[in-house]
Amino acid sequence: DAGITQSPRYKITETGRQVTLMCHQTWSHSYMFWYRQDLGHGLRLIYYSAAADITDKGEVPDGYVVSRSKTENFPLTLESATRSQTSVYFCASRYGPATSGNTIYFGEGSWLTVV
Amino acid sequence: TQLLEQSPQFLSIQEGENLTVYCNSSSVFSSLQWYRQEPGEGPVLLVTVVTGGEVKKLKRLTFQFGDARKDSSLHITAAQPGDTGLYLCAGAVETSGSRLTFGEGTQLTVNP
Repeated sequence: DAGITQSPRYKITETGRQVTLMCHQTWSHSYMFWYRQDLGHGLRLIYYSAAADITDKGEVPDGYVVSRSKTENFPLTLESATRSQTSVYFCASRYGPATSGNTIYFGEGSWLTVV
Repeated sequence: TQLLEQSPQFLSIQEGENLTVYCNSSSVFSSLQWYRQEPGEGPVLLVTVVTGGEVKKLKRLTFQFGDARKDSSLHITAAQPGDTGLYLCAGAVETSGSRLTFGEGTQLTVNP
């Protein structure tokens, strides 16, 4: 089915380990995003990408790495996981710029717990 | 960073009551969106408003964009238990066309 999918949906990892969250969209949307959602902070942008091979930092990029070698994939890597990175991570995609009122579509989320 | 403040953070009401959720900022937004998020799922777009003073209706939900495009409100008439969820506003600024800034959300619970 078309859409935006994230994997894994649930992950428990240990402090210091590298973790990669995958995101795949089938709409060929130019823009892709990674957000984290925490109680008291709402949705905060980690990284985004306007096109393949173009990525930019969001509000909270420290400790994360992204890549966008193909339009449809936008993996997020935690290089050395910390407890403060325990969160729900949402991938999203959008056809065009936000200022044009384009709809952003979210994946179902990846629940990450760092112990 | 443009901040969007939502109020109230939590709202618990009885079925049939009316309610209003507010989204305020000191920044001017070129567009503002409202999302609804249910547990275990990602946010889903409800509406986009782009013109100052614009009012949009979606069944029992009425969305308004402030004249100065700095604030917005969501009014629900005769709330139903199915309206329960996290309501998020998000704004786009002309100078950061790719990015949306989200408010912290309003958790609405409608009790039968």
